[in-house]
Parts: sequence; C-alpha cells; structure tokens
Amino acid sequence: NAGVTQTPKFQVLKTGQSMTLQCAQDMNHEYMSWYRQDPGMGLRLIHYSVGAGITDQGEVPNGYNVSRSTTEDFPLRLLSAAPSQTSVYFCASSRGTGETQYFGPGTRLLVL
Amino acid sequence: AQTVTQSQPEMSVQEAETVTLSCTYDTSESDYYLFWYKQPPSRQMILVIRQEAYKQQNATENRFSVNFQKAAKSFSLKISDSQLGDAAMYFCAYRSAGSNYQLIWGAGTKLIIKP
Repeated sequence: NAGVTQTPKFQVLKTGQSMTLQCAQDMNHEYMSWYRQDPGMGLRLIHYSVGAGITDQGEVPNGYNVSRSTTEDFPLRLLSAAPSQTSVYFCASSRGTGETQYFGPGTRLLVL
Repeated sequence: AQTVTQSQPEMSVQEAETVTLSCTYDTSESDYYLFWYKQPPSRQMILVIRQEAYKQQNATENRFSVNFQKAAKSFSLKISDSQLGDAAMYFCAYRSAGSNYQLIWGAGTKLIIKP
C-alpha cells in the first residue's frame, strides 16, 4: 500500500512551457485534491474531485487544469507556466467529506 | 468565509518539556472538523490529530492533545515530553462538514526543539 504518490519530486520549467504533475492513490479514495504551498502561507486549494469524472475549482484554479478519468489518478496540468506558479504542490486524498486527508510527498516546481 | 489564524510564527521548547501551539478560527457553521498537521523538513504533510466539532471531548494521540473551545473558536495543540523529532512546521486546518470539500489552512507555526 503506497498511499499517495506524486511525480516528479522536482521540476524546472521555462515560462510558457506546459507540464503535467502526476498523482495516484491506491486506497480507493473518492476524494482527491491539489494544493499549492507558498512561503509563509498555508496550503491553498487549486482543484478537487469527488469521484471519477467529477472535478471542481478550488481557491486558486487559474492556469491549471485537472481531469479524473479513474479513481486512482488525478493529474494536474499547467497550461503555460508562469513564474508565479513557482511553488510546492501537494496532492491529497480522503475516503469522504470530513475524513482525514492523506498527502503525497509534494512536487517542487520552479518556473524561470 | 471561514478563516484560520495561527498567531505564533515560531515557538521553541526545551526537549522533554511541554509546548502549546495556538489556533483560532472563524466560522458561522456549527458542524465542522479541525485538524493539526505536521510538516517536517522533508515537506511531507502528516496528520497529527483530528477533532469533530460535535464532540465535546478533546482528542488525544499519545503525546499530542488538543484544547478545543468551541464557543471561543479556539483549537490549541499541546505537545508533551517534546522530542527532537517533533521539530517541524505545524498547521491548523478547518473543514466544513457540509458539501464544501475545501480545507482552510492557517499560515503555520515553526516549532524548534532545543536539546
């Protein structure tokens, strides 16, 4: 049981490039979400999903897309990277609303 | 909108002593969940403790306990017998029990353990 996994661990992008951050969980959790963490701030929700085929926007969705074709996977796509997207990105999953969220190890992204 | 405030950017404690981290929140809801997460230098987010608002009893997990004051909207974390491995950022978080899935996070408190 690997829990929540994220790849890559670290990525450097140039402004305007696109990329996909991968997230997978093997706990059969319905709920998955993406957060970003910036220095001196708590986590902010980017997008979330309440089940396969269902996604919704969080607090800071601009510049990011998500899809949920399977229960296990929830990739986050950066369409055209900007320096303001330099951050640490966390994926999380939970069994249901109010249940404890389990976090992946994070992806550190640097946009030059 | 709900907010979570951690007023202590940094705290330090001597090893083996007790430390309390503060968290206050603002909400108009009566049913919700509160969490404390630990983030060590590895950046992994680790759940420390969880409290359901409808439960009056304070949650405890080994050396970690909370003082949940619903009327005062306060949710402090007490760490007893502090250990070097407790050094980390600690985040307080709030989640509505309704359909809103979002966790609302505080800015965090950096805990330093002095040997």
